[in-house]
Amino acid sequence: EDKVVQSPLSLVVHEGDTVTLNCSYEVTNFRSLLWYKQEKKAPTFLFMLTSSGIEKKSGRLSSILDKKELSSILNITATQTGDSAIYLCAVPRRTGANNLFFGTGTRLTVIP
Amino acid sequence: ETGVTQTPRHLVMGMTNKKSLKCEQHLGHNAMYWYKQSAKKPLELMFVYNFKEQTENNSVPSRFSPECPNSSHLFLHLHTLQPEDSALYLCASSPLGGSSYNEQFFGPGTRLTVL
Repeated sequence: EDKVVQSPLSLVVHEGDTVTLNCSYEVTNFRSLLWYKQEKKAPTFLFMLTSSGIEKKSGRLSSILDKKELSSILNITATQTGDSAIYLCAVPRRTGANNLFFGTGTRLTVIP
Repeated sequence: ETGVTQTPRHLVMGMTNKKSLKCEQHLGHNAMYWYKQSAKKPLELMFVYNFKEQTENNSVPSRFSPECPNSSHLFLHLHTLQPEDSALYLCASSPLGGSSYNEQFFGPGTRLTVL
């Protein structure tokens, strides 16, 4: 059965800190791993990772996939209060590339 | 605000009521999705429609009935719900095609409370 586990479940940091969020997965016929940010209600897409060891970067956010360890990390450097959100990890199911299976998410709170 | 809208944004209903959730996308996509997000549980895919045809039903109870009259509109008809169905219901759309992931764009969701 497909499984996506995220850790930690929640995290509170101060502005300026660097955080690392973890995602591990078990899925039949791995295609890719997605990261989403959910601030209020609508999740917004961050990254799609398909190849091991290649870092994707967008501003202060970066992510990398380790297919050997069946995991991915999402790093946020110099955190700001606007980074407070739930960060979701997802993998496509066996039934289709767009049929996503999500983890429970990591709730990040950045305090001033 | 994204190109995916949902109405209503909040809904309170009794277990004997019948109501419908509506989703509309203005992005020219051909795939639409319903997700359920309950407290402390992962975001769960419920239904997938590709070119108005349902292609995925993740063991959703029959008290949830989806309808996709065209590629821009998606409905979720609700009847005889249970209190445990209270959740945030999110709609999403995406381009369709290929074996790789196509980014999904989410609506703001409908917060449903079943009394």
